[in-house]
Amino acid sequence: AQSVAQPEDQVNVAEGNPLTVKCTYSVSGNPYLFWYVQYPNRGLQFLLKYITGDNLVKGSYGFEAEFNKSQTSFHLKKPSALVSDSALYFCAVRDMGNTPLVFGKGTRLSVIA
Amino acid sequence: GAVVSQHPSWVICKSGTSVKIECRSLDFQATTMFWYRQFPKQSLMLMATSNEGSKATYEQGVEKDKFLINHASLTLSTLTVTSAHPEDSSFYICSAPGLAGNLNEQFFGPGTRLTVL
Repeated sequence: AQSVAQPEDQVNVAEGNPLTVKCTYSVSGNPYLFWYVQYPNRGLQFLLKYITGDNLVKGSYGFEAEFNKSQTSFHLKKPSALVSDSALYFCAVRDMGNTPLVFGKGTRLSVIA
Repeated sequence: GAVVSQHPSWVICKSGTSVKIECRSLDFQATTMFWYRQFPKQSLMLMATSNEGSKATYEQGVEKDKFLINHASLTLSTLTVTSAHPEDSSFYICSAPGLAGNLNEQFFGPGTRLTVL
């Protein structure tokens, strides 16, 4: 069975500083990994995904994530945080085909001016 | 990218009534749709997989007689919460796998917030 762990409930970072939101996964086959962001009372917005290829994936709004197979991790990063990045971030995984995404519990990011 | 819509975006109902939530794929056909439920400050939990032309498959612990799913066409899936109770209050989100050329993508609707009084 697939699973995702986001070890941090909350991440606080000062505006302009780099941010990292951690994610580790477990899947039987090759993982398809995703990051989504959710603003209050809104649906999910897609940030980026890793399917295959380069381990460093660049996505929307300046975010990137690095796939590390040996550590089964897919941490989300941004070089310089903005106050507007404050939101709830979800890491998700699926295996091949049309199987549904399995989500981590989410990490609330708070960027302080 | 593909668009998934949900209607209504929010609904308030009395305990004991039934509420129907619609999920539509606007510019692509979806033989499969997923229904998730999200409690405040918690993650999305898969409730069921809706399949066009066949019965939905429910996750363990989800009452199929309470949460009726009908995948009426290749662009419409509905979730009906029957005899709603306050504990059914939640944020319901549907999603659909991407187009044939992008099966790895999953597109999400904006969600429906249900409040049962």
